[in-house]
Amino acid sequence: ETGVTQTPRHLVMGMTNKKSLKCEQHLGHNAMYWYKQSAKKPLELMFVYSLEERVENNSVPSRFSPECPNSSHLFLHLHTLQPEDSALYLCASSQDGGPDTQYFGPGTRLTVL
Amino acid sequence: QKEVEQDPGPLSVPEGAIVSLNCTYSNSAFQYFMWYRQYSRKGPELLMYTYSSGNKEDGRFTAQVDKSSKYISLFIRDSQPSDSATYLCAMSHTGGFKTIFGAGTRLFVKA
Repeated sequence: ETGVTQTPRHLVMGMTNKKSLKCEQHLGHNAMYWYKQSAKKPLELMFVYSLEERVENNSVPSRFSPECPNSSHLFLHLHTLQPEDSALYLCASSQDGGPDTQYFGPGTRLTVL
Repeated sequence: QKEVEQDPGPLSVPEGAIVSLNCTYSNSAFQYFMWYRQYSRKGPELLMYTYSSGNKEDGRFTAQVDKSSKYISLFIRDSQPSDSATYLCAMSHTGGFKTIFGAGTRLFVKA
């Protein structure tokens, strides 16, 4: 595997379900990000981890819970989501200290029924 | 006022045309300026980045930054149908992790 991978690619869940999104980066980076992308809206930064410490939490509802067990893996735990949470969730990584250029995974298309 | 403004398009051009994509911004502290390309059902892919003002060229792509006008551009020469995608501008300041993205311009290049 190369670059940034995300699983699953598609997820349909009910409002009472609990699910997790997984991201893995194979680039040797030390910062990882979760973004939400909705139609016709800019990418919304959700969380940033640098060296496994959360450094940004962009006023995200508590029904989204991130976890970064090491610099290569990032999870987004989901519970009691709302239909308006349906979107493309993108993971990205970058190398701290360099230009803020991020490498993105393909995303997880989430639908909340 | 949004920090970054980008016309969503769509922009439709014939093959071979020169394409100009633009963003304006309000925060004069931005120092890094990026352009990403996003194909349908894929994540954004970094095309180019520029630090501070000036031009940068990479093949058919040229990025320009005018900090005095708070205006950045991406030019695509000899556009190809494979250039059809959404182009996102992005910018950040030195230090920190927050990158601000434009909403993206949808480009169609017709064969």
